Amino acid sequence: QSALTQPASVSGSPGQSITISCTGTSSDIGSYNQVSWYQHYPGKAPKLMIYEVTQRPSGVSNRFSGSKSGNTASLTISGLQAEDEADYYCCSYAGYNTFVIFGGGTRLTVL
Amino acid sequence: QLQLQESGPGLVKPSDTLSLSCTVSGGSLNSTSYYWGWIRQPPGKGLEWIGNIFYTGRTDYNPSLKSRVTMFVDTSKNLFSLRLSSVTAGDTAVYYCATSPGYCSRTTCYNLYYMDVWGKGTTVTVSS
Repeated sequence: QSALTQPASVSGSPGQSITISCTGTSSDIGSYNQVSWYQHYPGKAPKLMIYEVTQRPSGVSNRFSGSKSGNTASLTISGLQAEDEADYYCCSYAGYNTFVIFGGGTRLTVL
Repeated sequence: QLQLQESGPGLVKPSDTLSLSCTVSGGSLNSTSYYWGWIRQPPGKGLEWIGNIFYTGRTDYNPSLKSRVTMFVDTSKNLFSLRLSSVTAGDTAVYYCATSPGYCSRTTCYNLYYMDVWGKGTTVTVSS
């Protein structure tokens, strides 16, 4: 099963909002609400930001939100801050046998 | 609070078996609330899910790695382990252990397939 498709990079200015898309298929994102998003600073452990499409773990800023339409999931970050500059990965359950697939990652640059 | 720490050799020879352990603190491997997993990131590439194991020994593996992967739990030491056989340079990566939440009904346990607690990662290089 191929990786989920994310843009390689996105950028925005402080205070703006950005959206990162994650496109899968009817076998993964389109069939299950088990989409998650991770923030990853190089050299650090990834951090769960969104799970089950829209849910935020305790402690994650409400500037981060998730959504899904058809085979595409999205992560929106509002009120961009310099500390948001990181790599972001989407992830989806893809059914029995394949189980879990990640997107290729998106580098967010805060201008 | 659950914490994970990877350990193992940083250098493995081609065709050998990579062996890593993940020590769990702040929680029990016998819990029905967690599945215990491994994810890796090759240099310059994205994250790749390797697989996970439940305390019962039930495993799910990435189909592309399934023929070379073995995972097991050691409840007496509160750790779980990864073995990857016949390694090549393509297996060079930062390896992370992580937990996935789960829950059990009266008859079945379910993995929610997202990773909420991660170890800091350990770098493994495959080279002669």
